[in-house]
Amino acid sequence: DGGITQSPKYLFRKEGQNVTLSCEQNLNHDAMYWYRQDPGQGLRLIYYSQIVNDFQKGDIAEGYSVSREKKESFPLTVTSAQKNPTAFYLCASSIGREKLPQETQYFGPGTRLLVL
Amino acid sequence: KQEVTQIPAALSVPEGENLVLNCSFTDSAIYNLQWFRQDPGKGLTSLLLIQSSQREQTSGRLNASLDKSSGRSTLYIAASQPGDSATYLCAVRRGTSGSRLTFGEGTQLTVNP
Repeated sequence: DGGITQSPKYLFRKEGQNVTLSCEQNLNHDAMYWYRQDPGQGLRLIYYSQIVNDFQKGDIAEGYSVSREKKESFPLTVTSAQKNPTAFYLCASSIGREKLPQETQYFGPGTRLLVL
Repeated sequence: KQEVTQIPAALSVPEGENLVLNCSFTDSAIYNLQWFRQDPGKGLTSLLLIQSSQREQTSGRLNASLDKSSGRSTLYIAASQPGDSATYLCAVRRGTSGSRLTFGEGTQLTVNP
């Protein structure tokens, strides 16, 4: 059963603490993405990776970090430098053939991060 | 910088009504446009993808149109059902370099039985 899994579903962060959100895919996709969604807003791109061991900043990368050591995994760390981390975080993946017109992104179920 | 806007932000209709959701974008140099559905607290599911060279795409009761020159897309839902209740987001792909998407804020649709 192929898909994208994110864990945990809910995550609580204390002030000054770094937390890591997990994203795993078994779709054999090269590209992976992290988005942040705030209430009533669309998705904003945090980081993306088009291939293992390579990633690029998106529109709102400050206060976040990622790694891409394995094709199937793209964890996101929310650092203490991110002053307003409360949001819904979505991970996505795509085949990665960027010139393929029909290429679409497949999304995980999301992780809701709350600050204590 | 590409900006995507969706109107209305929320819509409530009785079951069986035909409805139209609107999406506009500021830069017409897009590669494609997608409509997604998001259920509360869930991820996104792709509904329709329109390439920049296409005018419309259809899937069941859904029809999406694209007018690049005016920077607009519409999602038409025929004979709406309570199960259609969700947030609908449109997203444009920013050209052929990479697969980065720019999303609108979404339209929250409620179909009342």
